Amino acid sequence: GESVGLHLPTLSVQEGDNSIINCAYSNSASDYFIWYKQESGKGPQFIIDIRSNMDKRQGQRVTVLLNKTVKHLSLQIAATQPGDSAVYFCAENLFNQGGKLIFGQGTELSVKP
Amino acid sequence: NAGVTQTPKFRVLKTGQSMTLLCAQDMNHEYMYWYRQDPGMGLRLIHYSVGEGTTAKGEVPDGYNVSRLKKQNFLLGLESAAPSQTSVYFCASVVAGGPNEQFFGPGTRLTVL
Repeated sequence: GESVGLHLPTLSVQEGDNSIINCAYSNSASDYFIWYKQESGKGPQFIIDIRSNMDKRQGQRVTVLLNKTVKHLSLQIAATQPGDSAVYFCAENLFNQGGKLIFGQGTELSVKP
Repeated sequence: NAGVTQTPKFRVLKTGQSMTLLCAQDMNHEYMYWYRQDPGMGLRLIHYSVGEGTTAKGEVPDGYNVSRLKKQNFLLGLESAAPSQTSVYFCASVVAGGPNEQFFGPGTRLTVL
């Protein structure tokens, strides 16, 4: 079946440190993945995406790594700030099936000042 | 440009009551989605639509109905609410034509007593 799961439900880091959030997926045919950030009381907000023909993609302070061999992706946040505190979800996008998203459970990132 | 809006923001229902949640988007997106999010979990797809007049079932469709009479609106109906439908409901939309970012609304918090 199709599923996306996360390794750690919570992550606590010191302000200024780098954060790494991990995600495993099961559908080997998936070729598009998205990371979302969800702050309390709000809807998910797009952070970064990656296609399966890439193994790394960088944004502003964020990097996503994709390892198709072990069906794993990660989100790295550089110099983590208090405003980064949120729940982070990886999602598998089935764009050939009406663009559906399959979400993982989420990792709650807490940044200590 | 308001993006994706949802009405209402909060609602309390008694078991057996019915209600309709409204999602509206002003980005001329073809695809629209309804998700539910339960505590500590990722979003799960209820129903979706790839165009005006078309709808399809998602992962957890039982107890819900939807309609897409206008391109900009996607309605989610609960005919006979049950406590198991207590959740936060999110609407999302995306432009058609390949993997693209889904834009989410702010959510509707529904409690069924």
